Amino acid sequence: LAKTTQPISMDSYEGQEVNITCSHNNIATNDYITWYQQFPSQGPRFIIQGYKTKVTNEVASLFIPADRKSSTLSLPRVSLSDTAVYYCLVGGGYQKVTFGIGTKLQVIP
Amino acid sequence: GAGVSQSPRYKVTKRGQDVALRCDPISGHVSLYWYRQALGQGPEFLTYFNYEAQQDKSGLPNDRFSAERPEGSISTLTIQRTEQRDSAMYRCASSLETSGSETQYFGPGTRLLVL
Repeated sequence: LAKTTQPISMDSYEGQEVNITCSHNNIATNDYITWYQQFPSQGPRFIIQGYKTKVTNEVASLFIPADRKSSTLSLPRVSLSDTAVYYCLVGGGYQKVTFGIGTKLQVIP
Repeated sequence: GAGVSQSPRYKVTKRGQDVALRCDPISGHVSLYWYRQALGQGPEFLTYFNYEAQQDKSGLPNDRFSAERPEGSISTLTIQRTEQRDSAMYRCASSLETSGSETQYFGPGTRLLVL
């Protein structure tokens, strides 16, 4: 299973763009990169998934360089409601996935 | 449609008692996962099923923990002879297909407190 490394915490002011980078040096060929968001007292919720280059949806963008050894989740113009823990997961063939500690994002007014 | 549901939402039990936690996945979802989450930590994998078959139970802490999904839908996680260290949030998730890249949909969790 590919191991991921991401910052433990980040602070950002409202309205700013937030970029959270995840390292996954031993990502396998058939692995996808998936990000989940978790609010306190709730289960994790899917945000975005990608394999290579760039993926964008209504919530976020995911940037993946050519070597796929890292990925960056980009949240445009964050608001207080984006305060949450963000998890980077790498997986494909294996269904046993590892969440890790995640990145605790605190949005400041 | 309905999401993943779990019951009970809260369970307080005395040390030594058995508990059964239930998960009702999204209808039609093939895979079902159990996780345990301690405060300030990410979900820790326990086990998962494809249909009724338990595919991987390597995350179960010891033989007091067991899980079943007899008809490929509802699943039960059973903890026998509970200990205080079993206190945690237990989360269930389901996914439509059997792939590690499939989106997992999580339930609200069961908060277990062992006194």
